[in-house]
Amino acid sequence: QKEVEQNSGPLSVPEGAIASLNCTYSDRGSQSFFWYRQYSGKSPELIMSIYSNGDKEDGRFTAQLNKASQYVSLLIRDSQPSDSATYLCAVMEGGADGLTFGKGTHLIIQP
Amino acid sequence: NAGVTQTPKFQVLKTGQSMTLQCAQDMNHNSMYWYRQDPGMGLRLIYYSASEGTTDKGEVPNGYNVSRLNKREFSLRLESAAPSQTSVYFCASSFYLSSDSLFGLGPGTRLLVL
Repeated sequence: QKEVEQNSGPLSVPEGAIASLNCTYSDRGSQSFFWYRQYSGKSPELIMSIYSNGDKEDGRFTAQLNKASQYVSLLIRDSQPSDSATYLCAVMEGGADGLTFGKGTHLIIQP
Repeated sequence: NAGVTQTPKFQVLKTGQSMTLQCAQDMNHNSMYWYRQDPGMGLRLIYYSASEGTTDKGEVPNGYNVSRLNKREFSLRLESAAPSQTSVYFCASSFYLSSDSLFGLGPGTRLLVL
């Protein structure tokens, strides 16, 4: 069974610091990787996707992928209180299997 | 372009009642999915449809049935609702190429079974 592991947290980070969220996955055939942000009582919203090894930057967010280590991370620079949410890592092998989600990391940005 | 839409947004059922959750996508994606999310959990796959006319079980299929009505629509049916099916249900669709993939997630249906 495919597994996606995340530290459930809570991860507490001071405002303005870098928040680092980590995710490991079990299926070496995974091709696509996604980070979602979910506020309490709301639906997940896509932050970033990454497909190749290395870094991908989008504004204050950077996704990092290392397929050899089966590891994907999300960095949030200049963290804001509005970044406080649960962050879901999701992995897609390819084809029609859909996404396998982790349980999420609860991030708290302290003012 | 509405993406993935779901109806209803919220529903309360009594134990033993039946209902169908509706999902539609306008992105011309071949594959569609139903997930459920329980408190403190990620999304878990209930059923999926790789293409029109096919459906397959996911991680937690017990108590559910699905119908891929056409390329756009994928419904989830609870024949006899149980309190354990209280959850938030998300429909999704996807498009995959070897170098790229798109995954659209619906807004969710909150279901309470009393």
